[in-house]
Amino acid sequence: DAKTTQPTSMDCAEGRAANLPCNHSTISGNEYVYWYRQIHSQGPQYIIHGLKNNETNEMASLIITEDRKSSTLILPHATLRDTAVYYCIVRGNTNAGKSTFGDGTTLTVKP
Amino acid sequence: NAGVTQTPKFRILKIGQSMTLQCAQDMNHNYMYWYRQDPGMGLKLIYYSVGAGITDKGEVPNGYNVSRSTTEDFPLRLELAAPSQTSVYFCASSSSLKRGTGANVLTFGAGSRLTVL
Repeated sequence: DAKTTQPTSMDCAEGRAANLPCNHSTISGNEYVYWYRQIHSQGPQYIIHGLKNNETNEMASLIITEDRKSSTLILPHATLRDTAVYYCIVRGNTNAGKSTFGDGTTLTVKP
Repeated sequence: NAGVTQTPKFRILKIGQSMTLQCAQDMNHNYMYWYRQDPGMGLKLIYYSVGAGITDKGEVPNGYNVSRSTTEDFPLRLELAAPSQTSVYFCASSSSLKRGTGANVLTFGAGSRLTVL
């Protein structure tokens, strides 16, 4: 699976949009981009995934660049409960078993 | 539908003891995984399984063993526990990839916190 690079930490004001970047310059054609988050020491929670097109669900939006080498997770109206570690991972069809996580981005939403 | 269930939630071991962390899923997922997470760090893959009877090593397999005799269960065995194995352990599962598509979402358990003294 392709490696990802994320900033170590970010702050965001409550009510504002949180934009979390992820670089995955070695992504291959069949690999999806997935985002998860981990609140305190709970198990990671799935947020969203995408292949080429931008995606939106009830939790967030995912913007993937045209060359697919980077993506941005957008939390449109961050709340204090969105304070968490956010992980961007890239997984493909052929080696889905080896799903590796990096250290993620610690997002702190401030009042 | 319980999802992924891990037991125990907490455990303290003495150096050299052995134990098994249990993981069960009720979603009929083929893929199962064990991760460990040290304080302030990301998740490291220990072992994974793509189906009953099939297991493979991840990034940090040393000191651990797994088995997958059924689709539902994926226990993680620690032999001769060491302080370096103090960590939070997460089990996860995902469904098989459909031919021609790649979406494969992981569902995680709540974690098992292990301390080795």
